Amino acid sequence: EAGVAQSPRYKIIEKRQSVAFWCNPISGHATLYWYQQILGQGPKLLIQFQNNGVVDDSQLPKDRFSAERLKGVDSTLKIQPAKLEDSAVYLCASSSREGTTDTQYFGPGTRLTVL
Amino acid sequence: QKEVEQNSGPLSVPEGAIASLNCTYSDRGSQSFFWYRQYSGKSPELIMSIYSNGDKEDGRFTAQLNKASQYVSLLIRDSQPSDSATYLCAVKPGSQGNLIFGKGTKLSVKP
Repeated sequence: EAGVAQSPRYKIIEKRQSVAFWCNPISGHATLYWYQQILGQGPKLLIQFQNNGVVDDSQLPKDRFSAERLKGVDSTLKIQPAKLEDSAVYLCASSSREGTTDTQYFGPGTRLTVL
Repeated sequence: QKEVEQNSGPLSVPEGAIASLNCTYSDRGSQSFFWYRQYSGKSPELIMSIYSNGDKEDGRFTAQLNKASQYVSLLIRDSQPSDSATYLCAVKPGSQGNLIFGKGTKLSVKP
């Protein structure tokens, strides 16, 4: 079974530029999560999708961050414009069911550096 | 604000010893508890989950949960250098909430 795929693996941008990350979850997984992990911290949930609907985006900075999962499969997270404090690893995870104890499987992450 | 607290370490143990990692959480209604291992530069990997008070053993790993004390721990027996990583405690408040992660404890196992 293929794991969660993410691209790019690394990205360096200047502040005020925009950037987009892509995630393809494990086949058949209805729930997709985007996390932000700042160095030395645990992952923090940004947004959760169930199929192509948003379940929880309470911690997403909506003035600069946006995410979509148009066909209920892969997803894109965008930052526009980026700030220095957005430097972090952006992790995508998927699980097979919402609201259960099913395991979340993480992708390799995208390491973003904002200069 | 629901919180999960861990000692950031580093925790250093000699090879073959027992490593004990601890975690406390603030939401008394939390129902699901997880331990993830994260190697440097890698993504988190689930190693244990526990839902009921008491102990749960899986190989060299034992998770312990005490809901009255709002405390969950992970014991690693016969620690190996390959166990050197950051261990993240994650708590799911209620049945519908999302995972809340602690900052992680960095474990170093010395040969």
